[in-house]
Amino acid sequence: SQQGEEDPQALSIQEGENATMNCSYKTSINNLQWYRQNSGRGLVHLILIRSNEREKHSGRLRVTLDTSKKSSSLLITASRAADTASYFCATVPLLYTGANSKLTFGKGITLSVRP
Amino acid sequence: DGGITQSPKYLFRKEGQNVTLSCEQNLNHDAMYWYRQDPGQGLRLIYYSQIVNDFQKGDIAEGYSVSREKKESFPLTVTSAQKNPTAFYLCASSIDRQSYSNQPQHFGDGTRLSIL
Repeated sequence: SQQGEEDPQALSIQEGENATMNCSYKTSINNLQWYRQNSGRGLVHLILIRSNEREKHSGRLRVTLDTSKKSSSLLITASRAADTASYFCATVPLLYTGANSKLTFGKGITLSVRP
Repeated sequence: DGGITQSPKYLFRKEGQNVTLSCEQNLNHDAMYWYRQDPGQGLRLIYYSQIVNDFQKGDIAEGYSVSREKKESFPLTVTSAQKNPTAFYLCASSIDRQSYSNQPQHFGDGTRLSIL
């Protein structure tokens, strides 16, 4: 079953607006990661937030994590047409001490940024 | 430039045929992974390998096989036992056998497999 579930499934905004995407998960995590996928391409890692962190920034990206609510949000500020892509959250379970093989992905959010 | 190379980009399989998807990385990563992605779905783990000559089944290993004879290479064979092979296949790798859990995965650009 899916560990992470993103919301909304699809989002369409105007260039320059902010885009907020949410991810909820079911079990306790070690960390949560966000990835971007352009059409027909592989995934690109955006940001990783550990369970003891509440907020991280990377350029125009801001990720928050609320472990009490088992949720995370990805904010893209001042969006551009080039941000058009699918965005996935992925989680690593808390007790997993081995390889990153148990990275569990949600179904993704399709973001369209209109020029 | 370092990265992961998947080939071919497109692959067609005939009924009863086995096909092999290639994945090569020059990132010196220890761990490698194979995922399957269906339309509108997230990624599902097929197989993963933490070290040469060792690999484990993921969530949907049935109908697939892998080998890890070299650190750089992790080919995936889709066998005739996989009755619904049409999907987008993604290979990934990650660094550091000591602390995997906080490392991102790096992905190739995928192979799209279809049935003839």
